[in-house]
Amino acid sequence: GAVVSQHPSWVICKSGTSVKIECRSLDFQATTMFWYRQFPKQSLMLMATSNEGSKATYEQGVEKDKFLINHASLTLSTLTVTSAHPEDSSFYICSASSGATDTQYFGPGTRLTVL
Amino acid sequence: GQNIDQPTEMTATEGAIVQINCTYQTSGFNGLFWYQQHAGEAPTFLSYNVLDGLEEKGRFSSFLSRSKGYSYLLLKELQMKDSASYLCAVNNQGGKLIFGQGTELSVKP
Repeated sequence: GAVVSQHPSWVICKSGTSVKIECRSLDFQATTMFWYRQFPKQSLMLMATSNEGSKATYEQGVEKDKFLINHASLTLSTLTVTSAHPEDSSFYICSASSGATDTQYFGPGTRLTVL
Repeated sequence: GQNIDQPTEMTATEGAIVQINCTYQTSGFNGLFWYQQHAGEAPTFLSYNVLDGLEEKGRFSSFLSRSKGYSYLLLKELQMKDSASYLCAVNNQGGKLIFGQGTELSVKP
């Protein structure tokens, strides 16, 4: 149980284009989904928290107009990186949680490379 | 401020026992998690502690002392596949996790 999928697993795009990443909880309903970014040799940095049907809450320093988050259902959240630039190249990981312990289960991650 | 400290790297021998420490100072506390992360992959859940004491799960155990702001992850009978980064994370408030920098564990034959 507690399987989270992400799609795509990797993507290469040109500077200035937009990229959409999907995060799905496959066998449970996720009350909350989280989006993280991880640069090489660094730990996970929380970008935003999203609850189904409401606007995402962004962490300080994360541009909400650049990283659009939609949480349309209890099993799906999407992150769109708009007008991507090389400095946005990173490993993007989503997680989903439900239940009293708020245990977060992570998706396999999406490696974004912006040329 | 929020601060979670763990050693940057550790080395241990196959078959041995290793303890990875984590100390934390956070504005709130609603549990502490340990995750394992292999290079290029997402973290996988190992353990959760919210009350003081030891939680044992197979070869892995995790301990928590809330009064000391301290936790450790104990790995027994180390295997080569245990080489990975181990992340300590505190559930601050509202389910948000604050991660430490991670401890890179190398298991040698």
